[in-house]
Amino acid sequence: DSGVTQTPKHLITATGQRVTLRCSPRSGDLSVYWYQQSLDQGLQFLIQYYNGEERAKGNILERFSAQQFPDLHSELNLSSLELGDSALYFCASSGDGGPGNTIYFGEGSWLTVV
Amino acid sequence: AQSVTQLGSHVSVSEGALVLLRCNYSSSVPPYLFWYVQYPNQGLQLLLKYTTGATLVKGINGFEAEFKKSETSFHLTKPSAHMSDAAEYFCAVSHAGGTSYGKLTFGQGTILTVHP
Repeated sequence: DSGVTQTPKHLITATGQRVTLRCSPRSGDLSVYWYQQSLDQGLQFLIQYYNGEERAKGNILERFSAQQFPDLHSELNLSSLELGDSALYFCASSGDGGPGNTIYFGEGSWLTVV
Repeated sequence: AQSVTQLGSHVSVSEGALVLLRCNYSSSVPPYLFWYVQYPNQGLQLLLKYTTGATLVKGINGFEAEFKKSETSFHLTKPSAHMSDAAEYFCAVSHAGGTSYGKLTFGQGTILTVHP
């Protein structure tokens, strides 16, 4: 158990819909990351937050947005969903988000868009 | 820009044989290197990491990796494979500075199969 909690574990939704994925980081970790894992793209970095502020942005679509709240939990919002958005979405956390820090991953949220 | 190349999307070994998973990185600044393992239907678990200091890094479950700057490599090895090692392995790189500060860039992964 990494200490990173993600909900829901599985989600099936229709095209055009909007979903919210939730993440609680490890106790004491200030930095949260979101990654997308799919068969064709592999593991892709989406976005990183540190103590409530956006720190780095990767290949995140404009239809997707995220935020980190004062209690440090984070949400990833996916809207106008397309079939190609079906993937495993990981949340991860680390202490201060520094480059040598270990990043701990949750078990992921499986999103299926039908 | 930093990148990671894992040579071989699938590696198959016999139980008890040497495991060698290859990883080459590209980074314009000193890298921080990681190996993660993903078991079916689970998240990624850190095996080991290199930040600074000793270039031979020992990790969990008997795995180790050696940072070779001249070869830009960070290959993962285990002397004797066990059935429980069957999983997908990811090499990753991060570095300090710029807009990539702290984020991990992953390779495409190598699926390890262990035969009895």
